[in-house]
Amino acid sequence: DGGITQSPKYLFRKEGQNVTLSCEQNLNHDAMYWYRQDPGQGLRLIYYSQIVNDFQKGDIAEGYSVSREKKESFPLTVTSAQKNPTAFYLCASGDTGFGETQYFGPGTRLLVL
Amino acid sequence: QKEVEQNSGPLSVPEGAIASLNCTYSDRGSQSFFWYRQYSGKSPELIMSIYSNGDKEDGRFTAQLNKASQYVSLLIRDSQPSDSATYLCAVQAGGSARQLTFGSGTQLTVLP
Repeated sequence: DGGITQSPKYLFRKEGQNVTLSCEQNLNHDAMYWYRQDPGQGLRLIYYSQIVNDFQKGDIAEGYSVSREKKESFPLTVTSAQKNPTAFYLCASGDTGFGETQYFGPGTRLLVL
Repeated sequence: QKEVEQNSGPLSVPEGAIASLNCTYSDRGSQSFFWYRQYSGKSPELIMSIYSNGDKEDGRFTAQLNKASQYVSLLIRDSQPSDSATYLCAVQAGGSARQLTFGSGTQLTVLP
């Protein structure tokens, strides 16, 4: 089955703790993205990567970090510097190029204890 | 700052009616436009993409694009209760930037 997987489905973070959200795709897509969604709002871009070992900040990168060591994987770390991390985190992937369509994983819901 | 605006809703239509969802965007250089459907608690799923002015039909869904007016819409014919969801408009700029800018979504309820 081709698709995008995210884990865990729910994640609880304690104050001062870094947590890592996993995103894996087997669609052979070059580009991968991380978005954050707050209740009643659209998606905001955190980080994106168009090629292995390269990534760029999106609109709200502060307090987050990523890596892209493999084409299939794009983990997101929510650091202790992110003061309001409670949100729904969505990973997406797509082929680079004109009209690129992005497909989303099932999401991870992060809650602060 | 690139902006994508959607009619905030919520929008309610009776079963079998046409639902009309609207979206405007600020970046005149935008080239690709997408509609996603998001059920409560779930991730967005792609419904339609449109790149050229005019209409594009796929089953009960029709996307309409007017680049001169910077306007894109989604029509859902013969609306069903299963169409009840939040619909997100997403706009992709031209050039090397591939990221999407999303609107805040329109919540649609189809009443049986």
